[in-house]
Amino acid sequence: GENVEQHPSTLSVQEGDSAVIKCTYSDSASNYFPWYKQELGKGPQLIIDIRSNVGEKKDQRIAVTLNKTAKHFSLHITETQPEDSAVYFCAASMDQRGGSYKLIFGSGTRLLVRP
Amino acid sequence: DAGVIQSPRHEVTEMGQEVTLRCKPISGHDYLFWYRQTMMRGLELLIYFNNNVPIDDSGMPEDRFSAKMPNASFSTLKIQPSEPRDSAVYFCASSFGLAGVNEQFFGPGTRLTVL
Repeated sequence: GENVEQHPSTLSVQEGDSAVIKCTYSDSASNYFPWYKQELGKGPQLIIDIRSNVGEKKDQRIAVTLNKTAKHFSLHITETQPEDSAVYFCAASMDQRGGSYKLIFGSGTRLLVRP
Repeated sequence: DAGVIQSPRHEVTEMGQEVTLRCKPISGHDYLFWYRQTMMRGLELLIYFNNNVPIDDSGMPEDRFSAKMPNASFSTLKIQPSEPRDSAVYFCASSFGLAGVNEQFFGPGTRLTVL
């Protein structure tokens, strides 16, 4: 089945610096790769996603890149702010029988942005 | 819309007791997911429904766990009997459209502690 590995597990950056989180996946049939942000005491919330027909997607300070050949994708946050501090999860879709999919999540990265 | 609603937010019970977690998905969503989050195992999919029908329950840890979705606006996850190792945060999520390739909206979670 699908396996998603995420690195690093913790990341501390100075406000204004960039942060990069990387994930690899095992199922070459995966075609949907979302990133979720989880703040303390809350459920995960989608911040950006990318599909396999696209190599890069950007939304203001957040960007995601996908390399299907190498089976890895990354989240880039530029000009980090204290409110970016949270746990970030990557995920990859896993093809199920009958044309449905489920998401397999990475283990999470705890990002701390120091003021 | 109020988003995905879960109750209770916190539950403390003693080993051997029955626990029922409740979820109201976003109106109009046709997929509902139950996840469990622990430090050791991360975010795990337990079961998901499509139009109130269970599609994949392969993540349900054992027979002590059961889930139902009697209608489009309500689902329950029951643990009977509960054990200390069931202590975790349980999330309900819903989505519109094909599971695993569309945004999932998470509820705030239920923090379960089994003594």
